[in-house]
Order: sequence, then C-alpha cells, then structure tokens
Amino acid sequence: EPEVTQTPSHQVTQMGQEVILRCVPISNHLYFYWYRQILGQKVEFLVSFYNNEISEKSEIFDDQFSVERPDGSNFTLKIRSTKLEDSAMYFCASMGLASETQYFGPGTRLLVL
Amino acid sequence: AQSVTQPDIHITVSEGASLELRCNYSYGATPYLFWYVQSPGQGLQLLLKYFSGDTLVQGIKGFEAEFKRSQSSFNLRKPSVHWSDAAEYFCAVGSGGATNKLIFGTGTLLAVQP
Repeated sequence: EPEVTQTPSHQVTQMGQEVILRCVPISNHLYFYWYRQILGQKVEFLVSFYNNEISEKSEIFDDQFSVERPDGSNFTLKIRSTKLEDSAMYFCASMGLASETQYFGPGTRLLVL
Repeated sequence: AQSVTQPDIHITVSEGASLELRCNYSYGATPYLFWYVQSPGQGLQLLLKYFSGDTLVQGIKGFEAEFKRSQSSFNLRKPSVHWSDAAEYFCAVGSGGATNKLIFGTGTLLAVQP
C-alpha cells in the first residue's frame, strides 16, 4: 500500500540554524500539506500546496518558513532560522485529486536547542 | 470559524469493555469528518471518515462512528477494546474548498487496563 514517507525521523539543531524537512508524498497525489504538533498539544495546520504554489498558510507559517517541490517526488519544508519554539513533530500529508482524505507520514521530530 | 472539541482529555477503560470517544464540531456546512489514531512515537493513521450518506460509518480495527447533525457530533465507538487500542485519538474536520485543511481537536488519550 502506498504511503507518505518523511526524513529524517529525528533532527536536533541549534537555534538560528536552517533545517530542511523532507517528505515523499504518495505518487499520484496532487495536494500536499505540512502540519505540526508541539509536544502535548494538538496538531496544527501550517501550509497547503497545490499546482506548485501555496494555496493556504496559517499564521504560524511566517517568513521563516518556506515549502518547495523541487522535483516530481519530494516536498520540503524549510525553516530558515530556527527558534526554540519550533521544536515539534512535523507531519507531511498528501491527498489525491477528487479526494477529501489526507494521508499522513510518520513525522519528523525536530528539537531546537 | 471551524473548530473541533474533544471534551475528554484522558480516558481509561478495561480490556473488553466498550468505548465511546466524544467529538463535537462547529462548521457552517456539511462537514467532512475524520478520526485519526496516533500510537506512541508514530504518525497519524486514518481510522474512518464521513463525507455524506449513511451516518454510521465503519472503519479499521473494529471502530465505528456516528454523525449526528442535530448534535454536531461525530463520536467514535468500539464494542470491545483491546490492549493494542491504547493510543491518542484525534477527531478532525476538513475545511473543504480548495485546500481542505484539517482542523484537529485536542485529542483523547486512551489507556487500556488489563
């Protein structure tokens, strides 16, 4: 069964450093998402991406965040200058055309020191 | 604005007992509703979904949920809980439209006693 994959599974970084989180969505899906879950809190929407552009972003998704689909398979989330409060689990999700169901990857746990 | 409320933060049930996890939503139109499960250290797995039609939907692992428009609820049920069901359960509503972002509740952590 096809699934969404994410790398790395864990990342530790120093405050102020740039990080790139990678996702490989399900191959025929066209909608892509990033969510995050701060420890002990609910899952929050960050950004959605369709047709090579951002379709919606939340207030959390400020200028320090960017997303890219550099090739036909990967979908990345970049945080330019990490802050302590960026420490969270980041989930990638994808959805097919004419579907309303998002499928999630296993997540990347980011720890900013 | 859309929102999801899961009133129970933590529930403990005995193995073999029945389970009901509550979910209330606020949404202007007919919602797309989902239940996801997150086992410790794992990602989010889709249990079931409701878009339209029969208001009682069946999912994986023996779970079911009932959509009640009059109560704005989408409660998750299982007749007999197994120890492996211990996890965190999230109810979510899809915003629809071009992005269909998911809005999640705060989750219910289920513990199963032997």
